[in-house]
Amino acid sequence: EAQVTQNPRYLITVTGKKLTVTCSQNMNHEYMSWYRQDPGLGLRQIYYSMNVEVTDKGDVPEGYKVSRKEKRNFPLILESPSPNQTSLYFCASSLKWGTDTQYFGPGTRLTVL
Amino acid sequence: AQSVTQLDSHVSVSEGTPVLLRCNYSSSYSPSLFWYVQHPNKGLQLLLKYTSAATLVKGINGFEAEFKKSETSFHLTKPSAHMSDAAEYFCVVSDFSGGYNKLIFGAGTRLAVHP
Repeated sequence: EAQVTQNPRYLITVTGKKLTVTCSQNMNHEYMSWYRQDPGLGLRQIYYSMNVEVTDKGDVPEGYKVSRKEKRNFPLILESPSPNQTSLYFCASSLKWGTDTQYFGPGTRLTVL
Repeated sequence: AQSVTQLDSHVSVSEGTPVLLRCNYSSSYSPSLFWYVQHPNKGLQLLLKYTSAATLVKGINGFEAEFKKSETSFHLTKPSAHMSDAAEYFCVVSDFSGGYNKLIFGAGTRLAVHP
């Protein structure tokens, strides 16, 4: 089944404890991105990747890192999480950049205490 | 820069009555527009998309949207609401500035369907 998977789905952590949210797609998509969803703000892009080893900042990159060593994986790294990073995070992928439909993972709900 | 405004944060309808979710966009060129739906505790699912072909776009589950350039609108409609339509809906425009595809999301409209 073609899909985007994220792990973990739920995470409660404490300020400053490094964490990684994994994202994987099995559709051979070139383009991947991370969004965060906050009430009343819709989804905002954190980082995106147009292909392996090519990443760039989205609208709200502060406090986040990403890497794209393989085509299928695009982990989101929070080196020192803070409470304002409490949010719902979505990974998405599309065949390539452009008008292609983006497919979203199920989301990761992160709470930083 | 592209932007999207969803005119209602909450819409409530009775089952069997029409649904109208309103969306206006701002774009300096011909945009690609999407509607996504998010059911509680689920990811986002594409309902439909407009990419400069027919202005009336049909999507899944009986939804459709009409692209009106003169009004810069892309409203989502359904003739008869079903209880399972209760969800949050996002109007989205595709931004190509900077040479890459970024989705600009509206703030969302939460649709409630009452028996």
